[in-house]
Amino acid sequence: GQQLNQSPQSMFIQEGEDVSMNCTSSSIFNTWLWYKQDPGEGPVLLIALYKAGELTSNGRLTAQFGITRKDSFLNISASIPSDVGIYFCAGRSYGNKLVFGAGTILRVKS
Amino acid sequence: DGGITQSPKYLFRKEGQNVTLSCEQNLNHDAMYWYRQDPGQGLRLIYYSQIVNDFQKGDIAEGYSVSREKKESFPLTVTSAQKNPTAFYLCASTQGSTDTQYFGPGTRLTVL
Repeated sequence: GQQLNQSPQSMFIQEGEDVSMNCTSSSIFNTWLWYKQDPGEGPVLLIALYKAGELTSNGRLTAQFGITRKDSFLNISASIPSDVGIYFCAGRSYGNKLVFGAGTILRVKS
Repeated sequence: DGGITQSPKYLFRKEGQNVTLSCEQNLNHDAMYWYRQDPGQGLRLIYYSQIVNDFQKGDIAEGYSVSREKKESFPLTVTSAQKNPTAFYLCASTQGSTDTQYFGPGTRLTVL
């Protein structure tokens, strides 16, 4: 079946630093989604990507749909304490269900 | 406001008991999903339904059952056959064939 590898598993960074995380798949995807989950809550959609090479921003967040269609990146600029949480990527290829990465745990030191 | 509600937030049950988790949406979405989340793992699909009175097994359906009698409701029953039921359960929905899934706040089930 389809697999998503998300890295890093966790990050502990200083407030104000930029953050990068990525996901790679074993097959070509036509959709990439990035979610954030706060402790004890459901994931909230951050950015949706539908085209190879697409670069989309949402405030301090920027995500890209990799040109090979097998990867995606999420960057957070100038991190703040409320950025803490788990970030999930999710992707789908034609005819298949959405699959999720294992998540990146982000901790910010103020 | 439109959204997805799950109740209760926390649920405790004795081993061997069946338990039903509620999921309701007022977004008029066609498709609904149930996921299980365990620490350090991604979301795993239990069941999904693309239309009323129809549903399909996901990747880990054993020990679970669902029904879809109304468009807005998709309850999940965790049966005594589920060997390791303690987990965080998430319900989601989408409109038609779009990929963007919107999630409820989740139910944390603990089996004692």
